[in-house]
Amino acid sequence: DIVMTQSPDSLAVSLGERATINCKSSQSVLYSSNNENYLTWYQQKPGQPPKLLIYWASTRESGVPDRFSGSGSGTDFTLTINSLQAEDVAVYYCQQYYNLPYTFGQGTKLQIK
Amino acid sequence: EVQLVESGGGLVKPGESLRLSCGPSGFTLSSYSMNWVRQAPGRGLEWVSSISSSSSYIYYADSVKGRFTISRDNAKNSLYLQMNSLRAEDTAVYYCARDPAGDPQGYFDYWGQGTLVTVSS
Repeated sequence: DIVMTQSPDSLAVSLGERATINCKSSQSVLYSSNNENYLTWYQQKPGQPPKLLIYWASTRESGVPDRFSGSGSGTDFTLTINSLQAEDVAVYYCQQYYNLPYTFGQGTKLQIK
Repeated sequence: EVQLVESGGGLVKPGESLRLSCGPSGFTLSSYSMNWVRQAPGRGLEWVSSISSSSSYIYYADSVKGRFTISRDNAKNSLYLQMNSLRAEDTAVYYCARDPAGDPQGYFDYWGQGTLVTVSS
């Protein structure tokens, strides 16, 4: 199985500042035939189901604010949230879909400082 | 508006069975692969099972293989998860989640609110 490891486990960022969450996969999730990274990011607010933010590592889902961006390739990925808003408080998960079983990172809890 | 509504959760004893259902609205079920993803209380997300739009492809996590069965009835617009031989470690909120394609892509663009399954004696 591909192990997904996120860092940090939690972070606190001031309103209006930038938050950066990292995700590392135990093997590459870059598919050479189409040059796509099989990596997504989800946001889960308390008491709610996860919400898709980013797929193919850097494609923003429709309706997601452009302050959310994804980057990286191969085994190392980053979710960046610019100009943090109060409504961004949540747990963020990365997930690989390169191989079965699909696996998630352990989650990163984002709070306001 | 796309919506997914799960039902069928509850409290069962170890070794018992339960059948979860998911009733989508706002889209044509037969055009999409569907999935079950679970989340133990206070824990992270775990993919459980996937089924392609025509049921040609079915996949399970090793933790549930041989005990859980995913199925769908496109005519009834419903997705199911039959869970047998339940264990305490199956206790979780079970989410129904849509894959954005007919054959499994492997990520999930819409999620239901979840249904809680508790396995305890």
